[in-house]
Amino acid sequence: GAGVSQSPSNKVTEKGKDVELRCDPISGHTALYWYRQSLGQGLEFLIYFQGNSAPDKSGLPSDRFSAERTGGSVSTLTIQRTQQEDSAVYLCASSLLPASGSTTDTQYFGPGTRLTVL
Amino acid sequence: SQKIEQNSEALNIQEGKTATLTCNYTNYSPAYLQWYRQDPGRGPVFLLLIRENEKEKRKERLKVTFDTTLKQSLFHITASQPADSATYLCALPPDSSYKLIFGSGTRLLVRP
Repeated sequence: GAGVSQSPSNKVTEKGKDVELRCDPISGHTALYWYRQSLGQGLEFLIYFQGNSAPDKSGLPSDRFSAERTGGSVSTLTIQRTQQEDSAVYLCASSLLPASGSTTDTQYFGPGTRLTVL
Repeated sequence: SQKIEQNSEALNIQEGKTATLTCNYTNYSPAYLQWYRQDPGRGPVFLLLIRENEKEKRKERLKVTFDTTLKQSLFHITASQPADSATYLCALPPDSSYKLIFGSGTRLLVRP
């Protein structure tokens, strides 16, 4: 597609329910990133994919959070037993190459999914 | 501890003036630093990247400086316009990996 898309754009759920957030990266982009942004805060790194593997899951806040990527394309972020503190905007980004300290790259962001846990 | 800090107070300036935003970091030695723009309800959009061996980078009305001694980057918008009103985020790789660590952003308001 022309850009990174995310669905749903908004999700309201009840505490304790599971939610799935979807990200469609730009076609051909190898790397995919998930971030979380709470109100008035910067972006908090969650997880990164290169292809279908996730070399670093250290940003996931708890074991209620998981993510997968299939076919080197679509990724799903799943939050189990949602809590009110999970309420935030979840942003997905993709890039052509993985950024590293010596290789510069540009991340392209989707519009985000606003999650509200009641 | 490692920190990346941006002024949390909104910067309110008159159209036509130069806006200057600051990004300070502690206990990082980034190979580069990036600036992004974020509009309400939208994801961040990449603006500029400056490497550690570059003192200054320009793109149209935008200018970024990078002082690795002061551990600071300055982001300037010259001849500012109301359409420049947005939140500006700085980001850096915390190590040699792929991650980016973002500041909390500074909101810029340009009055007509």
